[in-house]
Amino acid sequence: AQKITQTQPGMFVQEKEAVTLDCTYDTSDPSYGLFWYKQPSSGEMIFLIYQGSYDQQNATEGRYSLNFQKARKSANLVISASQLGDSAMYFCAMREGNTGNQFYFGTGTSLTVIP
Amino acid sequence: DTEVTQTPKHLVMGMTNKKSLKCEQHMGHRAMYWYKQKAKKPPELMFVYSYEKLSINESVPSRFSPECPNSSLLNLHLHALQPEDSALYLCASSLRHNEQFFGPGTRLTVL
Repeated sequence: AQKITQTQPGMFVQEKEAVTLDCTYDTSDPSYGLFWYKQPSSGEMIFLIYQGSYDQQNATEGRYSLNFQKARKSANLVISASQLGDSAMYFCAMREGNTGNQFYFGTGTSLTVIP
Repeated sequence: DTEVTQTPKHLVMGMTNKKSLKCEQHMGHRAMYWYKQKAKKPPELMFVYSYEKLSINESVPSRFSPECPNSSLLNLHLHALQPEDSALYLCASSLRHNEQFFGPGTRLTVL
């Protein structure tokens, strides 16, 4: 089974609007971490936001927020007030357990912001 | 210093060449990673070093040889590569296996 599932290969959003990128995960480990990364066409992976499995509140970082629904095993990324510079590939990832060798990426969502 | 640096940015090599990729971080992170990424695909984990010891090798062919000389430096030695090894090679580091911080990558082309 896929550890991380991103069902939206491509998304479009109007500039200044909000957009939600979907991510579901699969793990039986009670300790895990969820991450979102942005990868522009230049190639660099940029860390955006992190949610721990024991965190009670949804993580927020500026215009990024993570809608963490533990029972549904979903960790959607919400980008508010989209900007043209947000156009990029977005990857959801999970660290399972407390070691670094169980780090899984989803297949990514390509976001295009329309002026 | 809050960044991971990688050199070179671009590399073109023949199948008989020997080359090395270099990664450096000065954030005090004790875990470092090599990933391979093909176009429009997610990164694939190749190697993980934890406290300068190789803790995982995801069944990577022996033509890729990692080296971690110290806690700040990670190398990937390349020898007798194949054209299908052409990809973006990303290095990352993390503190205690939390969020990974990535370098800009090396775009490798094997002719």
